[in-house]
Amino acid sequence: QKEVEQNSGPLSVPEGAIASLNCTYSDRGSQSFFWYRQYSGKSPELIMFIYSNGDKEDGRFTAQLNKASQYVSLLIRDSQPSDSATYLCAVNRGTYKYIFGTGTRLKVLA
Amino acid sequence: GAGVSQSPSNKVTEKGKDVELRCDPISGHTALYWYRQSLGQGLEFLIYFQGNSAPDKSGLPSDRFSAERTGGSVSTLTIQRTQQEDSAVYLCASSPRGRGYEQYFGPGTRLTVT
Repeated sequence: QKEVEQNSGPLSVPEGAIASLNCTYSDRGSQSFFWYRQYSGKSPELIMFIYSNGDKEDGRFTAQLNKASQYVSLLIRDSQPSDSATYLCAVNRGTYKYIFGTGTRLKVLA
Repeated sequence: GAGVSQSPSNKVTEKGKDVELRCDPISGHTALYWYRQSLGQGLEFLIYFQGNSAPDKSGLPSDRFSAERTGGSVSTLTIQRTQQEDSAVYLCASSPRGRGYEQYFGPGTRLTVT
């Protein structure tokens, strides 16, 4: 079992819809959770991070964390073609080491 | 200000040759990471530097890989006797002290071993 698992996709959603990206992790000691966006051929950029159970909203993005079920999700409201990218989930156990998932490719169809 | 820079952007080398990859972190950032990203894979942690502390080399896949960071700034990742399985994009990231979650990535070096 991988430490951080994501569906590779592609996840296709129509423009204006809500895109829901999911990530599960195996280590219950994980403390903080991150979502990175990576455009094709580019390097990852941090979108959001979350530490506590529940929802965290930032503009069109909402991160959701459920530590009991060991999953973290990213919702993108009013999806735009420019959101088309690979979204990487990363998990931290309270140290400097971050474990990344393989990413979910999102395609927003115009 | 300037972001993280890496050079070269692309490197094609023959199997068995040594290569050096360079990373210039954001000025003032104390932490520096090297990752490897193979096609369709996530980021694989290689090595971590924090200030003048001893680096965490636990992610280096073999003793052919080494890295150093001079003066707490520029870092060089060296791969000796390259193998085809070393082909990947090598990414460097830096972060400010106390905010390790804010990793700023460089554009990467695409290494192809023929």
